[in-house]
Amino acid sequence: GDSVTQTEGPVTLSEGTSLTVNCSYETKQYPTLFWYVQYPGEGPQLLFKVPKANEKGSNRGFEATYNKEATSFHLQKASVQESDSAVYYCALGDPNSGTYQRFGTGTKLQVVP
Amino acid sequence: DAGVTQTPRHEVAEKGQTIILKCEPVSGHNDLFWYRQTKIQGLELLSYFRSKSLMEDGGAFKDRFKAEMLNSSFSTLKIQPTEPKDSAVYLCASSLEKGIEQYFGPGTRLTVL
Repeated sequence: GDSVTQTEGPVTLSEGTSLTVNCSYETKQYPTLFWYVQYPGEGPQLLFKVPKANEKGSNRGFEATYNKEATSFHLQKASVQESDSAVYYCALGDPNSGTYQRFGTGTKLQVVP
Repeated sequence: DAGVTQTPRHEVAEKGQTIILKCEPVSGHNDLFWYRQTKIQGLELLSYFRSKSLMEDGGAFKDRFKAEMLNSSFSTLKIQPTEPKDSAVYLCASSLEKGIEQYFGPGTRLTVL
């Protein structure tokens, strides 16, 4: 079945440093890939999505490229801020086949001043 | 547009009690999901409804967990009887159709003593 594996947390970074959260997936289909962010006390919310292979998604300084060959969708940010402290979830879904979203286990990021 | 609403935000129950959590999805959304969220397991799917029909009922949760969708704008999750290991955040999410982004509520934090 479909599955998503991502960097185990927690990840602690200093403000201004770069972030990479690895995400790998398994599927026999052609999914849309998603990154969600969850701030304390809230539900996850969509950060961005990429429906096509070899395309890049971005939002709020975060970006990820849909790499079909490597089956990866790593989240990156050049310079993190304290306000980026949150849990990040990678997910895949396929509207064409009717596959609802599968989520990774989440990566907790803590950014310290 | 109103987002996903969940009530109550916090619930404290004694072991063996019955509790009912409530969710109102985004108006017009066809899919509704219930998840349990813990630090160790991340997001675990409890139930998935499509157009009010139960499509998936998480196998490990069948015996004491029952989700219902009484109409297209209201769903409940009953846990009966509660056990301390049920302490977690319960999230409700909805989406317009299969495979595309989900909109999450703020969650209900359940503590079972």
